[in-house]
Amino acid sequence: KAGVTQTPRYLIKTRGQQVTLSCSPISGHRSVSWYQQTPGQGLQFLFEYFSETQRNKGNFPGRFSGRQFSNSRSEMNVSTLELGDSALYLCASSSDGEMNTEAFFGQGTRLTVV
Amino acid sequence: AQTVTQSQPEMSVQEAETVTLSCTYDTSENNYYLFWYKQPPSRQMILVIRQEAYKQQNATENRFSVNFQKAAKSFSLKISDSQLGDTAMYFCAFMTGRNGGATNKLIFGTGTLLAVQP
Repeated sequence: KAGVTQTPRYLIKTRGQQVTLSCSPISGHRSVSWYQQTPGQGLQFLFEYFSETQRNKGNFPGRFSGRQFSNSRSEMNVSTLELGDSALYLCASSSDGEMNTEAFFGQGTRLTVV
Repeated sequence: AQTVTQSQPEMSVQEAETVTLSCTYDTSENNYYLFWYKQPPSRQMILVIRQEAYKQQNATENRFSVNFQKAAKSFSLKISDSQLGDTAMYFCAFMTGRNGGATNKLIFGTGTLLAVQP
């Protein structure tokens, strides 16, 4: 069974640009969550998508957005990039069963804003 | 709002010995889940162990076990027979439960960097 796949693995963007990151969950998983990891703020929840709908949202500005497709693949977009957006962005997928709470993480996308 | 606190930024242990990582949390919820995740230098987050709040019995996974004290809101991780491959950042995490399953929103602590020395 393939794991969670995030692309690209590394990205360098210029301040003011926008960026789109992709996450393919484990086959059969319908929930995809996104997290931002920085040395200063640690791991912070961005949002969760389930069946193409945003179900949970963290405390991030509107520049951070996402979507989920019918095949459960998810993308997150950051517009008007700022230096502070440099981070490791992690995606996690879950089957969202009745008692299933395990989140499987991808290897992340390392975004550097210059 | 829920918070998770890990008060040990770094710890070191000798190979084959036992080490305990501390975690406390704050919540007014009664239905929730607690986790320990491991993040090695490869950056891949790996689930180590999970505890449902409604279960009184402490979870165990091979060399990993937890001490879950619900009243004290404490959730420590014990690693027995430490191995070099256990060297990693360890994160304690909290997830609120909901009817029919979990919210899938993890709240993480700041992490404890564990170094296993040969």
